[in-house]
Amino acid sequence: ETGVTQSPTHLIKTRGQQVTLRCSSQSGHNTVSWYQQALGQGPQFIFQYYREEENGRGNFPPRFSGLQFPNYSSELNVNALELDDSALYLCASSPGLVFADEQFFGPGTRLTVL
Amino acid sequence: GENVEQHPSTLSVQEGDSAVIKCTYSDSASNYFPWYKQELGKGPQLIIDIRSNVGEKKDQRIAVTLNKTAKHFSLHITETQPEDSAVYFCAAITQGGSEKLVFGKGTKLTVNP
Repeated sequence: ETGVTQSPTHLIKTRGQQVTLRCSSQSGHNTVSWYQQALGQGPQFIFQYYREEENGRGNFPPRFSGLQFPNYSSELNVNALELDDSALYLCASSPGLVFADEQFFGPGTRLTVL
Repeated sequence: GENVEQHPSTLSVQEGDSAVIKCTYSDSASNYFPWYKQELGKGPQLIIDIRSNVGEKKDQRIAVTLNKTAKHFSLHITETQPEDSAVYFCAAITQGGSEKLVFGKGTKLTVNP
């Protein structure tokens, strides 16, 4: 069992709304990455934060944004929700800056957009 | 763009048999290849990884092989048990643009008792 937690577990929103998902990393892990996992697909990289700065981004539009705080917590914000945003959102923390460090995933937040 | 293909999408084996899952990647600069196991309602968990400077790595019943020339790597599970049933994902670090981890689409493994 990893020390990464996410909240809420499930969330239902309507198209056009905004949502904030939260993640608590393992203590001492300075890097957090966020992934979107559509049903039946592998996780897709959204972005990564290192010591409160965005450190890399996947092919996601600017309406996906994030924050990382000094207390090892972080947020994923999605504006102007679309139906295709329905997915499991995973955060993963790691001790170092590189992806070759083991990433510890949380259980995810299941977002449904109606 | 960077791509990781994974086969098969589903795999059903009898308890005690071996299971093999194969992945190919497109970025020749990739140097790190982890495998994750995802059980229902949980996040992915790293089960084994391999770096580009070795061709094979083993951890008890699990092994991974890497062929950099052919750009493919495989997961081997021997003496499968019902608790091995899960979805398995391969991944590769890609260097195009900013570094990121790209996942395959997953293999649903079912081990029948």
